[in-house]
Amino acid sequence: SSELTQDPAVSVALGQTVRITCQGDSLRDSYASWYQQKPGQAPVLVISNKDNRPSGIPDRFSGSSSGNAASLTITGAQAEDEADYYCNSRDSNDNHYVFGPGTRVTVL
Amino acid sequence: QLQLQESGSGLVKPSQTLSLTCAVSGGSISSGGYSWTWIRQPPGKGLEWTGNIYHSGTTYYNPSLKSRVTISVDRSKNQFSLKLSSVTAADTAVYYCARIRVVDDAFDIWGQGKMVTVSS
Repeated sequence: SSELTQDPAVSVALGQTVRITCQGDSLRDSYASWYQQKPGQAPVLVISNKDNRPSGIPDRFSGSSSGNAASLTITGAQAEDEADYYCNSRDSNDNHYVFGPGTRVTVL
Repeated sequence: QLQLQESGSGLVKPSQTLSLTCAVSGGSISSGGYSWTWIRQPPGKGLEWTGNIYHSGTTYYNPSLKSRVTISVDRSKNQFSLKLSSVTAADTAVYYCARIRVVDDAFDIWGQGKMVTVSS
């Protein structure tokens, strides 16, 4: 099974833009998805298939992917965006899924 | 709107088997295009995929759990289950059930989570 890496924490000023990155070999040939988790709550899908937003997710969330890396960008961060964000992908060699260790986003 | 709800014992003794069930409502577990999965999260830590089961019955498991984990589906009850044997304190976690879209591997619907503590 492959592994995904993420920066442990990032901070962003209110209304500014923050980019969270995820790296791993599985991202070369599998879709990346991103999940937001607030304290005491279940994770919520915010981006799938590199850059698709589920219904109800604000358009300030966007995704991109290149090579072995994927990114989640929050453009115009709001206080309610403060949360842990996890990336995920499937290793096409063994069909095992893997989550990144998570990035804690603090909105200042 | 499809919903998932975990149930089962919240306290398991060491060396025993953890058993959880995820009830699916608002849709059929037999619908094609999805697999069904369990994810766990130890207190203060990140998410860990434990395994998933496809419509065909094919299962995949996290190698870190070796042969201790089993995921199964009961179509008559529209639910799926997790069994984890020989548990230790390291298995203490919130256990989430979720649905995975096969088309893009997205975990699109999650249950609220069930806290399971392993303690004597």
